[in-house]
Amino acid sequence: DAKTTQPNSMESNEEEPVHLPCNHSTISGTDYIHWYRQLPSQGPEYVIHGLTSNVNNRMASLAIAEDRKSSTLILHRATLRDAAVYYCILRDNNNDMRFGAGTRLTVKP
Amino acid sequence: DGGITQSPKYLFRKEGQNVTLSCEQNLNHDAMYWYRQDPGQGLRLIYYSQIVNDFQKGDIAEGYSVSREKKESFPLTVTSAQKNPTAFYLCASSKLADSYEQYFGPGTRLTVT
Repeated sequence: DAKTTQPNSMESNEEEPVHLPCNHSTISGTDYIHWYRQLPSQGPEYVIHGLTSNVNNRMASLAIAEDRKSSTLILHRATLRDAAVYYCILRDNNNDMRFGAGTRLTVKP
Repeated sequence: DGGITQSPKYLFRKEGQNVTLSCEQNLNHDAMYWYRQDPGQGLRLIYYSQIVNDFQKGDIAEGYSVSREKKESFPLTVTSAQKNPTAFYLCASSKLADSYEQYFGPGTRLTVT
């Protein structure tokens, strides 16, 4: 199964952009890249997903490298409520989602 | 309001006892999932169900059992055979098995002593 690698933790200042990286060098051609985030003591929530093209939604943007071996989740203006663990996940043809340890984002006021 | 409910939020049991965790959804979703999360780690899939009366094992099904008698309900039983049952248990659902978004419940924190 293709795996993802993310930094354990990152810090950001409030109202500044945040770029959360994810490496997935063994991604297959049919794997979708998903991002979820988990606030403390809550279940994860969907953020965004993509296959090849960059994606934008109301929560974030997803930039996918041309070779698809890495991607970056972009929060355009971090708020204190964005402090969470962010998971980068590859979803295969079996629709299995395997969550790694994620990146813990701290937002400083 | 539509959503997924899990109860209770905290559960305490003695070692050797079976315990059943509740998961209910009113989103009319076909697929439901159970995950386990240990401190500082990601989620691991225990069981999933794509349709009523059918379910499949995930990565760590040993010591767990499920049933899917109704579309809206997917209870998980943690049996005494599960060697390390203390964990945070999360239930999720999606419209279809291949839907891109899973909706998660608030979780049940199980402590076994």
